[in-house]
Amino acid sequence: DIQMTQSPSSLSASVGDRVNITCRASQTISNYLSWYQQRPGKAPKLLIYAASNLQSGVPSRFSGSGSGTDFTLTISSLQPEDFATYYCQKTYTTPLTFGGGTKVEIK
Amino acid sequence: EVQLLESGGGPVQPGGSLRLSCTASGFTFRSHAMSWVRQAPGKGLEWVSGIFGSGGSTFYADSMRGRFTISRDNSKSTVYLQMNSLRAEDTAVYYCAKHTEQIVYDAMDVWGQGTTVTVSS
Repeated sequence: DIQMTQSPSSLSASVGDRVNITCRASQTISNYLSWYQQRPGKAPKLLIYAASNLQSGVPSRFSGSGSGTDFTLTISSLQPEDFATYYCQKTYTTPLTFGGGTKVEIK
Repeated sequence: EVQLLESGGGPVQPGGSLRLSCTASGFTFRSHAMSWVRQAPGKGLEWVSGIFGSGGSTFYADSMRGRFTISRDNSKSTVYLQMNSLRAEDTAVYYCAKHTEQIVYDAMDVWGQGTTVTVSS
């Protein structure tokens, strides 16, 4: 099975900071990569699909890039509501594996 | 409004069974694949199982194959997860999620609120 590795597992940042989260697949997955945000006690929310497409209603400060095995989620200017845990997921083949998550905390 | 409502969670003893249901509204149910995703306490997300919109193909995570069965009734806009031989490590919040297409090889754009399964003696 293809493994998904996210880094870092956690980070501390301030409001207004630019944040990058990386996701690496153990084999190529083309652009079959999604990003989700999960706030405590809430269901996950889709942010990015097909590696770089912004889901409707998601603020433009979120962006995704990459193809093949290396992917990045970027938050251009961190806002208070962005403090949450972020997950990547590959949908190239089953199992539809998630990365381990990146918790974004307030500095 | 597009909604997913899970039900059927609760406490169960090790070795027991439980059937989760997820009822959808606000979209053409048969046109979308569905998945179940779980989250153990304090842990990350784990994909459990998925099913095509037609119901013709089903998929499972290795640790659930043979114990869990996913199915759907498109006439009732409902997807099910039958869980047998439950173990303590199956304790989690179980979410159902809607895929953007009829097949599972794409993102999940709508999620339910989750239902909690607790496996304990």
